[in-house]
Amino acid sequence: EPEVTQTPSHQVTQMGQEVILRCVPISNHLYFYWYRQILGQKVEFLVSFYNNEISEKSEIFDDQFSVERPDGSNFTLKIRSTKLEDSAMYFCASSERTEIYFGEGSWLTVV
Amino acid sequence: GESVGLHLPTLSVQEGDNSIINCAYSNSASDYFIWYKQESGKGPQFIIDIRSNMDKRQGQRVTVLLNKTVKHLSLQIAATQPGDSAVYFCAELYRSYIPTFGRGTSLIVHP
Repeated sequence: EPEVTQTPSHQVTQMGQEVILRCVPISNHLYFYWYRQILGQKVEFLVSFYNNEISEKSEIFDDQFSVERPDGSNFTLKIRSTKLEDSAMYFCASSERTEIYFGEGSWLTVV
Repeated sequence: GESVGLHLPTLSVQEGDNSIINCAYSNSASDYFIWYKQESGKGPQFIIDIRSNMDKRQGQRVTVLLNKTVKHLSLQIAATQPGDSAVYFCAELYRSYIPTFGRGTSLIVHP
């Protein structure tokens, strides 16, 4: 069964450092998403990406965040200068239209 | 405030019982709803969906009921098994194909 894959599974970084989280969406999918989940809380939408551009973003997705699809397979989330409150599980997801498949997540710890 | 929420944060059941997880939504224009299951340390997993032109949909051991009059969604799991223990999220979508998640209900199945 096709799946969304994410790397790294866990990353520890110092406050102020840049982090790049990587995702390989399902190959025939057209819509890509990043969500985050702070420990014990709900899954929160960050950004969606379609046709090589951001289609929607939430208030959380401020100037320190960016997304990129550098080639035909990868989809990345960059956090420019990490803060303690960025510590969370970050989920990548992809879909053809409505049925959205999530990856296993990248756990980011900012110290 | 939240547009999607859950009535009960934790539901404990005995193995073999039927489980009912409830969800309220506030956007009467939402036209698509999804139930996700999230096991510890993993990403949300699609369980079942329903469109607003339906009031019931059945899957394997799961049934989703939609009551648009009171903006209520429920997930019924028949013959609950220990492997069903997880956090269950409902999500609503309106036009943008971006699910908005509620806080989740933790289902605990006792053997």
